[in-house]
Amino acid sequence: ETGVTQSPTHLIKTRGQQVTLRCSSQSGHNTVSWYQQALGQGPQFIFQYYREEENGRGNFPPRFSGLQFPNYSSELNVNALELDDSALYLCASSQGPGTLDTIYFGEGSWLTVV
Amino acid sequence: RKEVEQDPGPFNVPEGATVAFNCTYSNSASQSFFWYRQDCRKEPKLLMSVYSSGNEDGRFTAQLNRASQYISLLIRDSKLSDSATYLCVVNGNNAGNMLTFGGGTRLMVKP
Repeated sequence: ETGVTQSPTHLIKTRGQQVTLRCSSQSGHNTVSWYQQALGQGPQFIFQYYREEENGRGNFPPRFSGLQFPNYSSELNVNALELDDSALYLCASSQGPGTLDTIYFGEGSWLTVV
Repeated sequence: RKEVEQDPGPFNVPEGATVAFNCTYSNSASQSFFWYRQDCRKEPKLLMSVYSSGNEDGRFTAQLNRASQYISLLIRDSKLSDSATYLCVVNGNNAGNMLTFGGGTRLMVKP
């Protein structure tokens, strides 16, 4: 167990809808990163939050947005869902924003867009 | 060209075999390198970091060749439990806070 929890574990949404995914980071971790993993591909970096501020963003459109709370938990919001948004969404927490800090993944949220 | 490239496999090997995976990366400024293991429908888990001098952890050996921008993973004496997808990972930007994953190499170890 990594101590990183994500919810919901599975959900189905309709194209055009909005979704919010949640992540509780490991105790003592102030950094949360979000990744999208489509079937048969490796995870792709969406963005990172460090001490409640966005601290880097991958190649994702603005309809992917996030938030980090004072307790360092985080949300990923996706608006105007498209079929290609169907994927496993992974949250990872770490003690700091650098890649020398070990990151711990949650079990992910499986999103299906129909 | 993808930033991190791996042969998707699958590599089908018998128990006890030695198997090697390779990975190439395009960003010469990358500083951190890792191998992750991912079981079917599970989250990735860190297998090992990769250092320029090479490193070994039990049956697993990782090598980094910065000049060729090439990373390798060698698994000796394969076990059935080694069956998984192996992801090559590098830090993807100069700020060091974005990991770039390869597409993964699938390994299936047969009895």
